[in-house]
Amino acid sequence: NAGVMQNPRHLVRRRGQEARLRCSPMKGHSHVYWYRQLPEEGLKFMVYLQKENIIDESGMPKERFSAEFPKEGPSILRIQQVVRGDSAAYFCASSPHVDSYEQYFGPGTRLTVT
Amino acid sequence: TQLLEQSPQFLSIQEGENLTVYCNSSSVFSSLQWYRQEPGEGPVLLVTVVTGGEVKKLKRLTFQFGDARKDSSLHITAAQPGDTGLYLCAGGSTGTYKYIFGTGTRLKVLA
Repeated sequence: NAGVMQNPRHLVRRRGQEARLRCSPMKGHSHVYWYRQLPEEGLKFMVYLQKENIIDESGMPKERFSAEFPKEGPSILRIQQVVRGDSAAYFCASSPHVDSYEQYFGPGTRLTVT
Repeated sequence: TQLLEQSPQFLSIQEGENLTVYCNSSSVFSSLQWYRQEPGEGPVLLVTVVTGGEVKKLKRLTFQFGDARKDSSLHITAAQPGDTGLYLCAGGSTGTYKYIFGTGTRLKVLA
């Protein structure tokens, strides 16, 4: 019974490059959430998606960040033209339905921008 | 803006001691979750509480949701080195799927 999968686990990008982070939810889960965790800080909500729909992206920076959850395949968090301030751990969580109280987290992708 | 504050921020204790971690807010939450996060890993869900005054026990861990659903506590009895980690509380509200995470308590249990 595989949990939430994220890849890559570690990603290094130079300033100005693009970063693509992938998340495969738990089997049977159709709701995906992305969070960002800065060093020594708590997790901050970024975006909530269902298959082919962005439900709430109020936590996403207005520029350079986008997310998708296609009908087939993993959810993708895309960061264009990365800057040093984007360095953080990005976590994906999934839940079986919106009324579920419980979100299950993946191991995260640690993005380092040099 | 909803905020969840956790205290203490850091806690270092000897194996066998008891401890309590607090999670407080001025906002009401419909559910509250506790997670433990180890370095380099994602948060692992420990428990969810949804009813004001609810108490849940998980082996040596006791979780309580405040009567007014604004606060919660996590009590660990006879702490072990394996309890070391970052403890996070997260609050959810009816009609929204965004969880507000607390600032975290970093626990270190020394053998």
